[in-house]
Amino acid sequence: SYELTQPPSVSVSPGQTASITCSGDKLGDKFPSWYQQKPGQSPVLVIYHNVKRPSGIPERFSGSDSGNTATLTISGTQAMDEADYYCQAWDSNTVIFGGGTKLTVL
Amino acid sequence: QVQLMQSGADVKKPGASVTVSCKASGYSFTGFYMHWVRQAPGQGPEWMGWINPKSGDTKYAQKFQGRVTMTRDTSTDTAYMDLSSLTSGDTAVYFCARPLCSSIRCHWFDSWGQGTLVTVSS
Repeated sequence: SYELTQPPSVSVSPGQTASITCSGDKLGDKFPSWYQQKPGQSPVLVIYHNVKRPSGIPERFSGSDSGNTATLTISGTQAMDEADYYCQAWDSNTVIFGGGTKLTVL
Repeated sequence: QVQLMQSGADVKKPGASVTVSCKASGYSFTGFYMHWVRQAPGQGPEWMGWINPKSGDTKYAQKFQGRVTMTRDTSTDTAYMDLSSLTSGDTAVYFCARPLCSSIRCHWFDSWGQGTLVTVSS
């Protein structure tokens, strides 16, 4: 079965750039997306179709992909960005989520 | 605006079944697939499947085949997810989620219910 691999944790200082990676076989062909989830809340879509940003999501969130790796980049990270981030992909008519990355803003 | 309102928390004994409902408003219920996703405590989301509210067609993740049934009631714009033969491993928050577009391949969920905690305990 298809798997997505994320680092368990990433730390960043306020105002700096955070990068969270997601790896999977030919991931770029599977239209990856990214979700932000804060404790006790439902996930929020922040990037879809590899690089697109839904309306209402700040411009500091951006996505990129290169072959087997998708990257979520948060520029000028703010304290409010501290959350769990999950990548997601579509494979063989099923939806797969990564294990998640806890972003800590120190 | 799109709203997905789920039923309240539930406690079940092992071996029992649970039904979670998801009432949609603010959009054409039959125009978008409805997906179900669960999240065990401290774990990442896990996709369970989808239902096409217009046709009633369903697709389930292999893990849940034979134990999950997704239905809908178009007269009340409500989707349902039934899970049977519950074990402690099914303790999780269950979400309904609507994709941002209507294609079957559209798997980007921009609208989520508030989640329903299902606890399985003897």
